[in-house]
Order: sequence, then C-alpha cells, then structure tokens
Amino acid sequence: QVQLQESGPGLVKPSETLSLTCTVSGGSINSYYLYWIRQPAGKGLEWIGRLYSSVSTDYNPSLKSRVTMSVDTSKNQFSLKLRSVTAADTAVYYCARDDKGIAVSAVFWGQGALVTVSS
Amino acid sequence: QSALTQPASVSGSPGQSITISCTGTSSDVGGYNYVSWYQQHPGKAPKLMIYEVTNRPSGVPDRFSGSKSGSTASLTISGLQAEDEADYYCSSYTSSSTVVFGGGTKLTVL
Repeated sequence: QVQLQESGPGLVKPSETLSLTCTVSGGSINSYYLYWIRQPAGKGLEWIGRLYSSVSTDYNPSLKSRVTMSVDTSKNQFSLKLRSVTAADTAVYYCARDDKGIAVSAVFWGQGALVTVSS
Repeated sequence: QSALTQPASVSGSPGQSITISCTGTSSDVGGYNYVSWYQQHPGKAPKLMIYEVTNRPSGVPDRFSGSKSGSTASLTISGLQAEDEADYYCSSYTSSSTVVFGGGTKLTVL
C-alpha cells in the first residue's frame, strides 16, 4: 500500500521559508501527480500545487510567487518551499499522490504536518 | 481562483438520503469532468470518495454517488449511516491547469 509521510519543522518564524518533505513508500513517485494541500485550523482545504515527475508544476495563483515544489526521485521524496511566511500560513500541510486511472484527484494522503508561523 | 460554493451544513437521519451541492463556473466544474469529492473525519486526512464526477475508488460503498449538471456538481449519500458524519469537500480542475476546492460541508447524522 502506498504511504506518504510529511516531515519538517513545526515552527517557522515570520518572513522565513517553510520547508516540508514528503517521503513516499510502497510505491513510486515517477509518472504520478504529487500534491501539496493545506488546511488552517477549523477551515477548509486549500490546494497549494502539484508537480509531475519534475517535468511540470502548477501552483495556486494566490501562492505562486512564494511557492516552489521539487522532487528527488532517488529518495522517492518531494518537497515544498513557501517563502516569506506570515501567520496566515499556519496550517496542517498534507502531501498526496494520485493513482493510475484516477485523474486530478489525491488518492493517497499523508497524515498531515502542523506548521505554525510565529516568532 | 475562487473557491467552489458548498452549503455549510446538511443533516439527515439514518437510512435517509442527502445531497451536497458544489457550484462553480464554466472555467471549472462546468468545463471539465474532473470533479472529486473527499470525506474528512475530525483530525484525519481527507479520503477520496468520488473522482471524475461519478466514479468511486475501490472500497468506497455504492451508497456514495456523484453527478453534475452544468456548473453544479452533487454528492448523494443514500442509506445514511452514523459513520458518514464528517466534512465533505468537492474539488475541480480549472482552465488554469490548477485545482480548486469547495469551502466544505459538515454532514450531521441526526
């Protein structure tokens, strides 16, 4: 079974860069869409962006100027960097992957990583 | 991109059917058959329930069904069960090659 696990600092200072890594086990990240999605406490889901096999990326227009996603196929990992963070970026961050034959959907999810932006 | 519009809450009694709507525009829901629905229980990661408007992933009960008319997609749960109580989110592919979520709907099983 495909499993995903987010990792990274749980506390980031304002104006600094949030960095998270998603490690995928039980399956490949090659030729799949890889997603980052976040959820502020008590609020709804927000799509951050997706990447495909380091070939292409699509980002939420509202975050595009601050986001970079990348993949390390040798480690079966992909990463998220969000620059110049503010308190509004405090959220649970999820990584996810699609599956063959299931388009534009996050099929496999990580458990989520809480990132708090505070000095 | 603007979030898709969902009712904040719906409720139903065990055994009944409920429908959750998800309204977008011709640039997302109305323009593509890439609407998905997710179920999220408190403190848990979302779970995919419906993809490409009407399809259920393996393991999802057939009590869950999806449909679309114009720019409004719908999730119907029939034979409501206590464990269906959760938050539900729709999402859609957009003309900008991005994905947008709905604001979420809290389902209460009475």
